[in-house]
Amino acid sequence: DSGVTQTPKHLITATGQRVTLRCSPRSGDLSVYWYQQSLDQGLQFLIQYYNGEERAKGNILERFSAQQFPDLHSELNLSSLELGDSALYFCASSVEGGTQETQYFGPGTRLLVL
Amino acid sequence: AQTVTQSQPEMSVQEAETVTLSCTYDTSESNYYLFWYKQPPSRQMILVIRQEAYKQQNATENRFSVNFQKAAKSFSLKISDSQLGDTAMYFCAFMKPSGGEFYFGTGTSLTVIP
Repeated sequence: DSGVTQTPKHLITATGQRVTLRCSPRSGDLSVYWYQQSLDQGLQFLIQYYNGEERAKGNILERFSAQQFPDLHSELNLSSLELGDSALYFCASSVEGGTQETQYFGPGTRLLVL
Repeated sequence: AQTVTQSQPEMSVQEAETVTLSCTYDTSESNYYLFWYKQPPSRQMILVIRQEAYKQQNATENRFSVNFQKAAKSFSLKISDSQLGDTAMYFCAFMKPSGGEFYFGTGTSLTVIP
């Protein structure tokens, strides 16, 4: 158990809908990362937050947004969902988001868009 | 741009034997970090080992060790005394010094045969 929690574990929804994925980092970690793992694209970095502020942005679609709250939990919002958004979404956390740090991954949220 | 290549999509090894997974990367950075992550059937991402590029000494963690060849941009993972629980997908990952996001390879699926 990495100490990173993600809810829900599974999510099934329809095209065009909007969903919110939630992540709670390890106790003491200030930085949160979101990744998407789909069958054909492997693991892709989406976005990083540090202490409530966006720090780095990867291949995140405009239909997706994220935020980190004062209690350091983070939410990833996915809207106007398409079939291709079906994937496993991981959250990871680290202490300060620095490159010398290890990221600890949560168990993931499996999203299925029908 | 950073790229990470894992040229072995699938590998197998007999229980108690040794296996080496290959990883090469491309970067213009002089300092960076390299990681191996394991993803068992549960799909959780688990850190196996990490290496700082400025350290010449190869990292080891129990049965896991790396062969880091900076000039060749090679970072292979050796698993000794393979166990059934080592069956998983293994991802090699690169982290830039300037940002916290990972660049992942496409993974190597390792099966340990009893």
